[in-house]
Amino acid sequence: QSALTQPASVSGSPGQSITISCTGTSSDIGSYDYVSWYQQHPGKAPKLMIYDVTNRPSGVSNRFSGSKSGNTASLTISGLQAEDEGDYYCTSYTISSTLVFGGGTKLTVL
Amino acid sequence: QVQLQESGPGLVKPSETLSLTCAVSGYSISSDYYWGWIRQPPGKGLEWIVSIYHRGNTYYNPSLKSRVAISLDTSKNQFSLNLTSVTAADTAVYYCARRRANWDFDYWGQGTLVTVSS
Repeated sequence: QSALTQPASVSGSPGQSITISCTGTSSDIGSYDYVSWYQQHPGKAPKLMIYDVTNRPSGVSNRFSGSKSGNTASLTISGLQAEDEGDYYCTSYTISSTLVFGGGTKLTVL
Repeated sequence: QVQLQESGPGLVKPSETLSLTCAVSGYSISSDYYWGWIRQPPGKGLEWIVSIYHRGNTYYNPSLKSRVAISLDTSKNQFSLNLTSVTAADTAVYYCARRRANWDFDYWGQGTLVTVSS
């Protein structure tokens, strides 16, 4: 199974909005709404930020939102804050009953 | 509060078997949910390894399936990972996590670094 495709890096200034894309195929993102997003700070375990494409777990800021169109899912962070800096990973369930991760995107807050 | 904690050797020799255990507190693994392992080579991205349902159904990353085994020990409320015939490419931080039916991981361990080297 091939990894989902994410941009290697994105950046934005405090207060701005950024969007991270996650491109898969009709065998994963395109066929299921089991898309999740994780935030990871250096030396820490990943943290679930979005599940089922658009849902936020309790305690996650409403500045984080998710969407999907066709084979591509997106994570948008509005009102960018310094604490948002880190790595972001998408995942999707696949037609083979497996899970695939994206390659990860490094977010820099300028 | 659900908590997971990985344990096991930090150094494994090439061709040997990597064995890790994940102790779970705050929730009984025999009640519900799936339990799984994810790894992250130094400086690289995350890779899903395997998941197991509390009733025993297992799901594998196809690229690792031939070398991976996962098991539950409900008496100790823990689950384990075995990865055979390891090479330097298996050097990574290994995370255990609780997986939900919709294939997301809502609780994670802190991770443990396993280095494969002679």
